[in-house]
Amino acid sequence: GESVGLHLPTLSVQEGDNSIINCAYSNSASDYFIWYKQESGKGPQFIIDIRSNMDKRQGQRVTVLLNKTVKHLSLQIAATQPGDSAVYFCAALKGGSYIPTFGRGTSLIVHP
Amino acid sequence: DAGVIQSPRHEVTEMGQEVTLRCKPISGHDYLFWYRQTMMRGLELLIYFNNNVPIDDSGMPEDRFSAKMPNASFSTLKIQPSEPRDSAVYFCASSRMRSDLGIQYFGAGTRLSVL
Repeated sequence: GESVGLHLPTLSVQEGDNSIINCAYSNSASDYFIWYKQESGKGPQFIIDIRSNMDKRQGQRVTVLLNKTVKHLSLQIAATQPGDSAVYFCAALKGGSYIPTFGRGTSLIVHP
Repeated sequence: DAGVIQSPRHEVTEMGQEVTLRCKPISGHDYLFWYRQTMMRGLELLIYFNNNVPIDDSGMPEDRFSAKMPNASFSTLKIQPSEPRDSAVYFCASSRMRSDLGIQYFGAGTRLSVL
C-alpha cells in the first residue's frame, strides 16, 4: 500500500523566515499530491496541489516542489507568520484511486 | 456555503454505550468521507460514499462501526458498543466530483472520548 511520511515531526521557525516542510512517498504510481494545513481544533484545509507532470507550483506565499526521481515533495512557505502555525500534511494519490493517503503530519511552530 | 458541518463537536461517553456522529456535507458535493485521527495512527479513512452509496468501507475497524447516508445532505457514523480505544477525533469530508477527489473539504471534527 501507499506509504507517505514526513521527515520531521516538528519544525520551529522565527517569524519572517522561510519554512520548508518535506514529504516522501513510496508509490511511484502516485501522480497527484496535495498539501493540507490543520490548525488546532479544526479539520485539515487544502493549501495547494501538484500533478506529476509538474515540478513546481506556486501559490500565495507557498510553493510546492516535486521530485519524482527520489519520490519527494516539499512545501515552502515564504515569510512565515504566526498564523502559519499548524500541522501540515502531505497526501499522495495514484491514478484510478483518487483516494488520498495522508502522511503523519509536521507541526510547524512559528515564534514571534 | 457553511462548509461541512459535524455534530456534536465533543462527545464523552462510557464504554458500552452507543455513539452517533453526524455530518452534513457541502451542498452539491457527491462524495462523502469519514476519517478517524489519532496521535498513534494519524488520519485514517474509514469509509466513503458516492451519491449516497457506500463505495469502500475497508477502513472500518470492525463490526461495531457502521455508517449510513440516507440522503445527499446527511450522514451518520455509529459505534455500538463503544470502547475506550475508539477515542479519537472523527472527521467528515466532502468532495465535488471524481476528478477533484483529492481536494476534500473537512468539517471541524467530533472529539470522542470513551471512558
